[in-house]
Amino acid sequence: RKEVEQDPGPFNVPEGATVAFNCTYSNSASQSFFWYRQDCRKEPKLLMSVYSSGNEDGRFTAQLNRASQYISLLIRDSKLSDSATYLCVVNKGGSYIPTFGRGTSLIVHP
Amino acid sequence: DTAVSQTPKYLVTQMGNDKSIKCEQNLGHDTMYWYKQDSKKFLKIMFSYNNKELIINETVPNRFSPKSPDKAHLNLHINSLELGDSAVYFCASSNTLAPGGTDTQYFGPGTRLTVL
Repeated sequence: RKEVEQDPGPFNVPEGATVAFNCTYSNSASQSFFWYRQDCRKEPKLLMSVYSSGNEDGRFTAQLNRASQYISLLIRDSKLSDSATYLCVVNKGGSYIPTFGRGTSLIVHP
Repeated sequence: DTAVSQTPKYLVTQMGNDKSIKCEQNLGHDTMYWYKQDSKKFLKIMFSYNNKELIINETVPNRFSPKSPDKAHLNLHINSLELGDSAVYFCASSNTLAPGGTDTQYFGPGTRLTVL
């Protein structure tokens, strides 16, 4: 099992749709979880951290399921500007070394 | 007041040459990283440097050598460049968290390396 796995997509959705991505991780001792966004030919930027209790930022909701070892990202009311690659990041258990997933591509069309 | 800066932004060079990429962060972070993003867009960590401790990814050829003159700088030197080194190289920085974890990483704009 890979350390961090994501469905590469692409997820092709119309504006206004709700879309969800999952990311599974293999190391049960992992402690830090993030979602980053990367636009084409740009650097990754933090979208949101993922906390044990779950967290929400506007149209974006992140959840952590430690029992099943996955994190999720829910995007409501998709905008054209949400089109990007969404990267899941998990730190290696017991260390500060982050591991990136391969990313999930989202395309929002009119 | 760019947080993480890299130079150069583009680098085109011949096989066999030696080149360096520079990275600087003004965020006061204690950890810096180098990542390679290949044509398949997979972002893979190469090195991490924290408080004078260098963590090396075993899959990185020893032609790649990071150099950190101080906490705010982490440069990447590449010897004998090969075609397969063509990629985008990102520098990043963050603070580490006790007892084990990573705070938000801030990335530089990337250096697009093309080896001919």
